[in-house]
Amino acid sequence: DTGVSQDPRHKITKRGQNVTFRCDPISEHNRLYWYRQTLGQGPEFLTYFQNEAQLEKSRLLSDRFSAERPKGSFSTLEIQRTEQGDSAMYLCASSRPGSRTHNEQFFGPGTRLTVL
Amino acid sequence: SQKIEQNSEALNIQEGKTATLTCNYTNYSPAYLQWYRQDPGRGPVFLLLIRENEKEKRKERLKVTFDTTLKQSLFHITASQPADSATYLCALRRSGGGADGLTFGKGTHLIIQP
Repeated sequence: DTGVSQDPRHKITKRGQNVTFRCDPISEHNRLYWYRQTLGQGPEFLTYFQNEAQLEKSRLLSDRFSAERPKGSFSTLEIQRTEQGDSAMYLCASSRPGSRTHNEQFFGPGTRLTVL
Repeated sequence: SQKIEQNSEALNIQEGKTATLTCNYTNYSPAYLQWYRQDPGRGPVFLLLIRENEKEKRKERLKVTFDTTLKQSLFHITASQPADSATYLCALRRSGGGADGLTFGKGTHLIIQP
C-alpha cells in the first residue's frame, strides 16, 4: 500500500500525559498537512510543511502542540500535557508538488486519540 | 469570519435517484473548491476539484457546479447506489498569504436507501 500511513491508529491516554503520532506521506509528496476532526465536524487545519519547513500553524495549535518533519519525509505531532478536549481524530494528508496538483490532498486513516 | 455551510442533517435518497448536496460559503474568494467523501472511521477521499473559472465539472456519475456570484457549489450524484452512502465534505483553500491548508464544512451525511 503506497498511501498515507499513520501510527498508531488508536491511542488512549490519561490527562496530563504526552503523546506522539507519526505520519508517513506518499513518497514523492513534498507537502504534508495535519488536521484534527471531532465528531460531527469537518477536519480543522492545524499545520503544514513543505519539505522540512513548517510554513504555517493554525491558532488551534496551542503551545502544547508541536509538529516536526526533520528530513522532509515522515512527520510527528506531539501533544504535551494532554487535556480531555484534545480527544479527536488526528488526520495527516499529503499532496504532490506542482502548481495545479498541489490542490488534491491524500489523507491517511487517522489516529484516534482518547484522553481520559 | 470565513464560513462554509453544508446541510448538516442527513439526506435520505432512494436508490437510482439523483442526490444533490449544497455547499455555501461566506467571506471567501476561493480560487477553487473541492469535494471529499468520508466513510466512518476513515480519512477523507478526494473526489473533485472545480476552479473559480469553471462552471461545471463531471466525473463518472458525479457532477459539481460552482457559482462564485451566489457563493455556492452543488454536488450531484446521479443514479445513486447504496454504496454512495457516506459523509460528503466541501472544502476551500484557506485564504491569506502563504496559507495552503483546507477549510472544511461539517459535511452532509448521505444515505441511499435500496
